[in-house]
Amino acid sequence: RKEVEQDPGPFNVPEGATVAFNCTYSNSASQSFFWYRQDCRKEPKLLMSVYSSGNEDGRFTAQLNRASQYISLLIRDSKLSDSATYLCVVKSFNKFYFGSGTKLNVKP
Amino acid sequence: DVKVTQSSRYLVKRTGEKVFLECVQDMDHENMFWYRQDPGLGLRLIYFSYDVKMKEKGDIPEGYSVSREKKERFSLILESASTNQTSMYLCASSPRTDLAKNIQYFGAGTRLSVL
Repeated sequence: RKEVEQDPGPFNVPEGATVAFNCTYSNSASQSFFWYRQDCRKEPKLLMSVYSSGNEDGRFTAQLNRASQYISLLIRDSKLSDSATYLCVVKSFNKFYFGSGTKLNVKP
Repeated sequence: DVKVTQSSRYLVKRTGEKVFLECVQDMDHENMFWYRQDPGLGLRLIYFSYDVKMKEKGDIPEGYSVSREKKERFSLILESASTNQTSMYLCASSPRTDLAKNIQYFGAGTRLSVL
């Protein structure tokens, strides 16, 4: 079983839509959680850390559910520039585990 | 701004060659990592290092070795390249700090093709 699992998508949404991604992780002792964004043929870059109480950064909201071992990312009012692959990342015992990513296509 | 620099964007090597991938970071980070990224598999950790001359195996170390002689430089070595090592290789660094801020910064990647 993979440490971190994501729906690969693609999610095809119109501009202005709200879209949500989920990610599940297998290690209940995981300590830190992140969403990274990766554009085509580029390196991953941090989008946001995910805190236990949930957190928001502009149009992006991240939630953590430790009991069910999943994290989520909600994007409101999608922009064309949000098109990318979103990687769920979980840190357990000094190692980072990456999901294989969820691809988002925002269409005009 | 944190900068992680990988020496090559694209490399083409032959089976059996010894290959060196170099990574340098300029933010005095203690932690450095090497990953490979393949379609459908995500990023997989090859090796990591928490200090100079220190190294630990990741999830897929077979066929690879690493060297960390200086804090800013972490090298990945393919002792005898094979076609199944064709991949995108990503180097990352992170500071030794509290968990929520333990963010990884990535280099632009090296796309290696082994023929």
